[in-house]
Amino acid sequence: GAGVSQSPSNKVTEKGKDVELRCDPISGHTALYWYRQSLGQGLEFLIYFQGNSAPDKSGLPSDRFSAERTGGSVSTLTIQRTQQEDSAVYLCASSLRYLAKNIQYFGAGTRLSVL
Amino acid sequence: GENVEQHPSTLSVQEGDSAVIKCTYSDSASNYFPWYKQELGKRPQLIIDIRSNVGEKKDQRIAVTLNKTAKHFSLHITETQPEDSAVYFCAASDPSGGSNYKLTFGKGTLLTVNP
Repeated sequence: GAGVSQSPSNKVTEKGKDVELRCDPISGHTALYWYRQSLGQGLEFLIYFQGNSAPDKSGLPSDRFSAERTGGSVSTLTIQRTQQEDSAVYLCASSLRYLAKNIQYFGAGTRLSVL
Repeated sequence: GENVEQHPSTLSVQEGDSAVIKCTYSDSASNYFPWYKQELGKRPQLIIDIRSNVGEKKDQRIAVTLNKTAKHFSLHITETQPEDSAVYFCAASDPSGGSNYKLTFGKGTLLTVNP
């Protein structure tokens, strides 16, 4: 079956613009995670969804970042008034259930470049 | 929350040699420890995982060991091949909030296998 799909694969934007990143999880996966991967860094947790609710938003770097999930499926990560330090690869992962020991399957990521 | 340290950050070996990557974690309540492999430009993929009730797990040329007392776990790759070249991430489940629903990742190890 289809894996986790993210779009766009690459996004170049100007400082101050808003961007929306999309994640389509594996069908039937109730848990969805967003991570940020900066050059030479690990995967930084941003936010987690169980169904349509987000019990943990603790990793969002600032109030310019927000995310939503609808229909227990597609999720959108929005970054408002982008800054150069937002440049990174944004990865989405989904898992069958909410427990960490359920395997997380990753999308290919969206590479965001803020000029 | 959980903190994961990973060493070394880079590792270069000759084809056929063994490679060992080590990680430590801070929260003794963590109970799940996966390892992900990320080839250049690709998504992270799970290669092996271990739960806290097991000390060692092996899958062909890959093995993971866990020392709960010392709070460290290691990835062992034997008979390395050029296709093993990638960035490897360790992770530990984060028990903050009372449930192990998310992972905290190490910063990664760039493994290069020289032919």
